[in-house]
Amino acid sequence: EIVLTQSPGTVSLSPGERATLSCRASQSISSSYLAWYQQRPGQAPRLLIYGSSNRAPGIPDRFSGSGSGTDFSLTITRLEPEDFAVYYCQQYRTSPPGATFGQGTKLEIK
Amino acid sequence: VQLQESGPALVKPSQTLSLTCSVSGGSIGTGAYYWSWIRQLPGKGLEWIGFIYYVGSTYYNPSLQSRLIISIDTSKNQFSLRLNSVTAADTAMYYCASYDKGFEDWGQGTLVTVSS
Repeated sequence: EIVLTQSPGTVSLSPGERATLSCRASQSISSSYLAWYQQRPGQAPRLLIYGSSNRAPGIPDRFSGSGSGTDFSLTITRLEPEDFAVYYCQQYRTSPPGATFGQGTKLEIK
Repeated sequence: VQLQESGPALVKPSQTLSLTCSVSGGSIGTGAYYWSWIRQLPGKGLEWIGFIYYVGSTYYNPSLQSRLIISIDTSKNQFSLRLNSVTAADTAMYYCASYDKGFEDWGQGTLVTVSS
């Protein structure tokens, strides 16, 4: 089973700064099946990025995803107060269908 | 689509946890999505529980497979989760979600506590 490891566990930044979150897979995965989610306190997760680099509908363009193989990243430029949350990466397995999440990165206000 | 979980908030140890997800704003029977259950233990990350496709094909997390049944009722536009022999370790927020290119739409979640 593929394990996703996110780093750092917690990152402290100020509004207006840039955040780069990492997701490393234990083996190579298709970039088509790597997604990122944001979870604010008390809320369900929200899909931000699918297919490694495609923004979901309604997601601001300050969110971008990149990567391939085993290394993927989520970048948030110009942090807004509402961006401080926990972020998860997730991979989809095709055969048999299944999913795995990373352990999450908490983005907190400095 | 919109999703809404329902079911008991409290389940006794060794009993069966049963939840239903009601889907609105689209038909569950179109084949556009995998319908999924995901849970989040208190203060922890997300754990995929399983998928069901509209024809009834199911795919489960191996760690839960022996205790798990996910079913679908296209006539009611609902799908359901049954997890038997629960323990305190199954206390979690349970979410239903639709999966296409990612988990696109989520229910608000329902907190289930396993306790006597």
